[in-house]
Amino acid sequence: AQSVTQLGSHVSVSEGALVLLRCNYSSSVPPYLFWYVQYPNQGLQLLLKYTSAATLVKGINGFEAEFKKSETSFHLTKPSAHMSDAAEYFCAVSEGDGSRLTFGEGTQLTVNP
Amino acid sequence: DTAVSQTPKYLVTQMGNDKSIKCEQNLGHDTMYWYKQDSKKFLKIMFSYNNKELIINETVPNRFSPKSPDKAHLNLHINSLELGDSAVYFCASRKGSTDTQYFGPGTRLTVL
Repeated sequence: AQSVTQLGSHVSVSEGALVLLRCNYSSSVPPYLFWYVQYPNQGLQLLLKYTSAATLVKGINGFEAEFKKSETSFHLTKPSAHMSDAAEYFCAVSEGDGSRLTFGEGTQLTVNP
Repeated sequence: DTAVSQTPKYLVTQMGNDKSIKCEQNLGHDTMYWYKQDSKKFLKIMFSYNNKELIINETVPNRFSPKSPDKAHLNLHINSLELGDSAVYFCASRKGSTDTQYFGPGTRLTVL
């Protein structure tokens, strides 16, 4: 069975500050891991994914995430927040090929001017 | 061109009615999904079809019936709508040999 825990349902940062959104996973096999972003009243857009290649993954809009097997984590970071980053962020895990995604509960990111 | 599209975008209906939501993808993908996002924004998979064959069926009430007339379409029919069915329903698709699911814009269903 697979599961995802996102620590912090709400994260607030100042514009220009570091963004850190936390994700821990549980999986009985080597996982595939994903971060999706959902802007208000829109669908989900893939930010980045880990599929057993490089452990540091770069995505769109300046985001990156690092897979740490020893910590079962896949935290999302961005060095400098923009106002346009305000959205809901979802971490998801899939055992194997991405055919079945299990999502975390989401983290609402607020960026303050 | 929209990759994964859903109609309608908004659906408001009375309890007890039957309604359908349609999904189409023009990506040439062979696997399609329905997800439900509740009021707390929690996303949960409902169904998955691969080449018109049902491959994932979570513990969803049998009032929900997906139908895939062809690889590019996956519709969701809901009978006897209940208040608890109010949610945003997302369609997604994926090419069988790859790992990324692409999501539609969602259908916000409100049951009164």
